[in-house]
Amino acid sequence: EAAVTQSPRSKVAVTGGKVTLSCHQTNNHDYMYWYRQDTGHGLRLIHYSYVADSTEKGDIPDGYKASRPSQENFSLILELASLSQTAVYFCASSVTVSAETLYFGSGTRLTVL
Amino acid sequence: QQKVQQSPESLSVPEGGMASLNCTSSDRNFQYFWWYRQHSGEGPKALMSIFSDGDKKEGRFTAHLNKASLHVSLHIRDSQPSDSALYFCAVSPGTGGYKVVFGSGTRLLVSP
Repeated sequence: EAAVTQSPRSKVAVTGGKVTLSCHQTNNHDYMYWYRQDTGHGLRLIHYSYVADSTEKGDIPDGYKASRPSQENFSLILELASLSQTAVYFCASSVTVSAETLYFGSGTRLTVL
Repeated sequence: QQKVQQSPESLSVPEGGMASLNCTSSDRNFQYFWWYRQHSGEGPKALMSIFSDGDKKEGRFTAHLNKASLHVSLHIRDSQPSDSALYFCAVSPGTGGYKVVFGSGTRLLVSP
C-alpha cells in the first residue's frame, strides 16, 4: 500500500516564526499535495506539485510556500506563522493526474500561539 | 465555484444497523466521486470510488451514484463500532487530482 510519511506529528510555533512541515513518499507517485483541515471546512488544497523542482498554487495558497526538491519529498513552509494557520495539515500523493485516488499521510497538528 | 454538500453533519446508529450518508456536487463538470474515511488521529483513507450511474458494492459498503442529480450516497450495512469515523465525499472532473474538492464531512458514531 502507498506510504506517505509526515513530520513532525505535532508542532507548536510562535506567531511570526518560521515553520516547515515535511512529507516523504515511497510510492514513486508523480503528484504530491498539501491540504489543510479545519472543523467544518473539510480538506482544502494549499499547494501541489507534479514534478520535482516545481510547485503550483492550490485553492488557499496565501501565507504558504511549498518546495519539492525531489520526487519523494514535499515541504510546506510558513515564513511568518499566524494564529489563523492553526490547523491539521495533510500531505497526499497520487499516481497521475486523472481521476486518481489520493493517499494521505497521518497529518501534522500545528498550533500557533 | 464548485461546492460539495454532505448530509447529515453527524449520524448515530446502533451496532448492526444501516448508516446512510449523502453527497451532492454543485458542478456538472465534477462527476467523479470518492468516499474517504478518517479515523481520529489518522489521515483520510479512500474507501471507494464511483464514476458510473448505479450501485457499486464493496463488502458492507454500497455507493449509489445518480449522475443526473449529481448525487451519491454511501450505505454501510451491519455497522460496526470500528466504522465510527469522519466520512468525506470528494469530487473531481476526472482530469486532475489537484482539482479534487472535498465536502465538510459526516461524522458517524456506531454505538455497541
